[in-house]
Amino acid sequence: AQSVTQLDSQVPVFEEAPVELRCNYSSSVSVYLFWYVQYPNQGLQLLLKYLSGSTLVESINGFEAEFNKSQTSFHLRKPSVHISDTAEYFCAVSGFLGGYQKVTFGTGTKLQVIP
Amino acid sequence: DVKVTQSSRYLVKRTGEKVFLECVQDMDHENMFWYRQDPGLGLRLIYFSYDVKMKEKGDIPEGYSVSREKKERFSLILESASTNQTSMYLCASSLAGASTDTQYFGPGTRLTVL
Repeated sequence: AQSVTQLDSQVPVFEEAPVELRCNYSSSVSVYLFWYVQYPNQGLQLLLKYLSGSTLVESINGFEAEFNKSQTSFHLRKPSVHISDTAEYFCAVSGFLGGYQKVTFGTGTKLQVIP
Repeated sequence: DVKVTQSSRYLVKRTGEKVFLECVQDMDHENMFWYRQDPGLGLRLIYFSYDVKMKEKGDIPEGYSVSREKKERFSLILESASTNQTSMYLCASSLAGASTDTQYFGPGTRLTVL
């Protein structure tokens, strides 16, 4: 079994301030970790993912996430947010369960950037 | 770029109607998925398919069925729509079902059942 916890349902932050969106997971098998973003009235799209190697992964628009195996966390950070970062962010874990790829999503965190 | 399209962005149906939601992907992906998205609950998997004519139940299959007659097309069917099926429905595809695969999502269909 696997699960994902995103404790913060909404995070308001002022423009140009730093932000951290928290994600914790649990799984009985090895997993890979993803962050997806959903802009208003759109589907989800991949922001970044951790597969192996360096535990710090980065996206093209300045977000980064660090895989911490001992704390089973994959928090998402950005040092300075922009209005265009307003969106809902979903953490997800992907493992091989029951013979198939099983992806479990968190409940999402709405990031509201305030001008 | 992978493109996943869904037949409708918004749909309004009456209780008891049969509802078809269509999804098409253009990148020859093996796996396709149907999720529903509800506030506070995130995404929940309804059904998925790893090959033509193959299907597997997800976490919440009750009240739904699916069809995959062609590799690029995956349909979600509500046999008799009920008000508790009012939701956002998202289709996704992935290359081959490996745990490392990214899922590519369509824009979603917001279904309202009256």
